[in-house]
Amino acid sequence: GNSVTQMEGPVTLSEEAFLTINCTYTATGYPSLFWYVQYPGEGLQLLLKATKADDKGSNKGFEATYRKETTSFHLEKGSVQVSDSAVYFCALSEIKGNQGGKLIFGQGTELSVKP
Amino acid sequence: NAGVTQTPKFRILKIGQSMTLQCTQDMNHNYMYWYRQDPGMGLKLIYYSVGAGITDKGEVPNGYNVSRSTTEDFPLRLELAAPSQTSVYFCASSYTSGYQPQHFGDGTRLSIL
Repeated sequence: GNSVTQMEGPVTLSEEAFLTINCTYTATGYPSLFWYVQYPGEGLQLLLKATKADDKGSNKGFEATYRKETTSFHLEKGSVQVSDSAVYFCALSEIKGNQGGKLIFGQGTELSVKP
Repeated sequence: NAGVTQTPKFRILKIGQSMTLQCTQDMNHNYMYWYRQDPGMGLKLIYYSVGAGITDKGEVPNGYNVSRSTTEDFPLRLELAAPSQTSVYFCASSYTSGYQPQHFGDGTRLSIL
């Protein structure tokens, strides 16, 4: 079945460091790919998405490119801030007719940014 | 601008008790979902609905029931609470399937003792 694998956390970085969180997936067909972010005590918020191969999603300085050849959707940011500390989830959307876009989540990667 | 609203935010239950987790959305979304989040495990889909009167099982439905009588509401019912159901529960909604992102509530933290 479909699955998503993320790099394990926690990831600890200093402010202004470069961030990469790896995400690979297994899927049949052509899923949409998402990154969600969860701040402490809150629900998940969409960070960015890509719906087809070679699409690049971007938001708030974060980027991820849908790489079908390597089945990857790695999250990157050039310069992290303390306010980026959160848990990041990679997810893919299964599309089966009209049965709803069920999300398959990775296990989440906790990011901690120190001043 | 409420979005997806879940109640209660926290609850402690005794083994064998029952309760209903409430979820309502004001975005006129057709699709609604219930997930549970366990530490280090990501989110697992419990049940979902593609419209009023239509529900289906997700990955981990055992011990839960749902109903969808209106577009806005999608309650999750625990009939006989068990310690394995201790988790954080998230409700989500989306306008259509697949390509559209899901909007999440803030969650209900449930402990079964």
